[in-house]
Amino acid sequence: QVQLQESGPGLVKPSQALSLTCTVSGGSLSSGSYYWNWIRQPAGKGLEWIGRVYMSGSTKYNPSLKSRVTISIDTSKNQFSLQLTSVTAADTAVYYCARNSYLGLVVSGGFDHWGQGALVTVSS
Amino acid sequence: DIQMTQSPSSLSASVGDRVTITCRASQNIDNYLNWYQQKPGKAPQLLISAASTLASGVTSRFSGSGSGTDFALTIDSLQPDDFATYYCHQSYTPPHTFGRGTRLEIK
Repeated sequence: QVQLQESGPGLVKPSQALSLTCTVSGGSLSSGSYYWNWIRQPAGKGLEWIGRVYMSGSTKYNPSLKSRVTISIDTSKNQFSLQLTSVTAADTAVYYCARNSYLGLVVSGGFDHWGQGALVTVSS
Repeated sequence: DIQMTQSPSSLSASVGDRVTITCRASQNIDNYLNWYQQKPGKAPQLLISAASTLASGVTSRFSGSGSGTDFALTIDSLQPDDFATYYCHQSYTPPHTFGRGTRLEIK
């Protein structure tokens, strides 16, 4: 059974960088069958896709965050990571890592496995 | 970006009712439409993928339909455990986008 687990600081100061890691167990990030994603949800609000990485290291980002986001993958550790720079209070949210099926260079499947979520608060 | 318009935003229903939630995409997304259930403090759970394919372990009381731009999620014979928030999601092209959610409440 595949499991995903987010880890990282729960409090980040404004203007600094937010860094989270997702550790995957029960499955390999080297499998070509999946994309590995980051999604966030501010309290009481909806879901926002941040971006994804493929086993090759190829990435796609949400244009609304693209200038501040980097997603990377370390297949040797079975982890992928999110870095979001120059954070503000608007970046306070629960951050989820999630997996979806690779169906092609563009299309993909639903998010079938999620981490439990990591609350990140941006505050001085 | 593809906009996903989900309705209603909230819905009150009783145990045993049948309810339908709709989702409209701002452009054709074929059948790359997925539905999720989310309960407070928990990650979303995939219910339906590819518009109508039931996810593993999900009860057949949930069903999905549609293609192109118009989609629906139907829940038959509502059970107490079904009262939650539901989201649609398009995986046709990045950036992935979600509907704003439908909160299903007990009447």
